[in-house]
Amino acid sequence: DAMVIQNPRYQVTQFGKPVTLSCSQTLNHNVMYWYQQKSSQAPKLLFHYYDKDFNNEADTPDNFQSRRPNTSFCFLDIRSPGLGDAAMYLCATSGYSQETQYFGPGTRLLVL
Amino acid sequence: GENVEQHPSTLSVQEGDSAVIKCTYSDSASNYFPWYKQELGKRPQLIIDIRSNVGEKKDQRIAVTLNKTAKHFSLHITETQPEDSAVYFCAASIVSGGGADGLTFGKGTHLIIQP
Repeated sequence: DAMVIQNPRYQVTQFGKPVTLSCSQTLNHNVMYWYQQKSSQAPKLLFHYYDKDFNNEADTPDNFQSRRPNTSFCFLDIRSPGLGDAAMYLCATSGYSQETQYFGPGTRLLVL
Repeated sequence: GENVEQHPSTLSVQEGDSAVIKCTYSDSASNYFPWYKQELGKRPQLIIDIRSNVGEKKDQRIAVTLNKTAKHFSLHITETQPEDSAVYFCAASIVSGGGADGLTFGKGTHLIIQP
């Protein structure tokens, strides 16, 4: 089945230790998004790609970076995680001229 | 940028009654308004959406209305059931030929269905 896959589902890291979250999709969608959702809050857009065109939200901290090496994969890099970065990270995709965003299951990040 | 306000933050209704959740948005360029249901620990699930060229859309017990002039849209759930208990988010975005911008979400409504 075509889908959005996120690995790992749970990630534990240490304060200040770089961590990478991954997202892959079999939908062949050109747009990929990363959202951060903290406990009891709404998802918040960090950045998104139109193909390889990177779009960063103005208030996304520099500590968050992203890479999209090809259509299928997108990575979220947190260079120096702080305790405040503990959250669910959701990847989503959508297609050309399409509005529906398909969410992956999320990666729950815990920072010790 | 876009700002989406959502009310109420918590809504408790008796099983079988109707529930209404309201949202307003600020950016007149927004043209796509989805509603998501999220259960604890799970991903948001799209339940219904509406484009700005439509005033109302219905899917079984769920309906969404949009007032472009007033910049507000609402979710209506009729004949509520226990499985409707969840957090509901409204959102807004701009969709163009290349695809959709990221979603700006409201803060969410915790819907509680009382048996």
